[in-house]
Amino acid sequence: QQQVKQSPQSLIVQKGGISIINCAYENTAFDYFPWYQQFPGKGPALLIAIRPDVSEKKEGRFTISFNKSAKQFSLHIMDSQPGDSATYFCAARGTSGSRLTFGEGTQLTVNP
Amino acid sequence: DAGVIQSPRHEVTEMGQEVTLRCKPISGHNSLFWYRQTMMRGLELLIYFNNNVPIDDSGMPEDRFSAKMPNASFSTLKIQPSEPRDSAVYFCASSFAGSRYNEQFFGPGTRLTVL
Repeated sequence: QQQVKQSPQSLIVQKGGISIINCAYENTAFDYFPWYQQFPGKGPALLIAIRPDVSEKKEGRFTISFNKSAKQFSLHIMDSQPGDSATYFCAARGTSGSRLTFGEGTQLTVNP
Repeated sequence: DAGVIQSPRHEVTEMGQEVTLRCKPISGHNSLFWYRQTMMRGLELLIYFNNNVPIDDSGMPEDRFSAKMPNASFSTLKIQPSEPRDSAVYFCASSFAGSRYNEQFFGPGTRLTVL
């Protein structure tokens, strides 16, 4: 019940296209859903995050869509750029404690 | 702010040797996390501390692994004896548990290779 399932494992998108990464969870106690971006040789960095009291959050070209009833959330990258090529991790955290549960990661490649 | 500092950045050692990884969290943060990243298992939480006290060490693989946080500005992860299957990138992260989102900030990682 602590798992977060992420798909796809890898994604190739053309420059200017939309990248979509999906995550699903089981634990209804999760109340914070961040997305992390990781470039090769670097640590993950927080990209955008959402709480379940809203269905969507947008920051620039990055949008999280959240479906509480389906227990799913997704990351949309609009106008994808080669510089967006990285590994993306979704995560979730419960109402108590500090522990994040991470998805398996999606390796995104944006071709020029 | 310098961010989370980890040392060494790369470590190559032979099986059976002791390995010590070091982490300096962001000043003012009161939670510290140790993660391991591999291709097979992804990003795994090994242990985390709140106010220098270990809260959850259920992710520590076995007794060969130990972690300490003697003060708010320093933590170590020790592997003794090391084995080839311990080869991975080890990340340290810190956060301020009193903040609204308790965002975790990751260090650059230590790439460990055990021959």
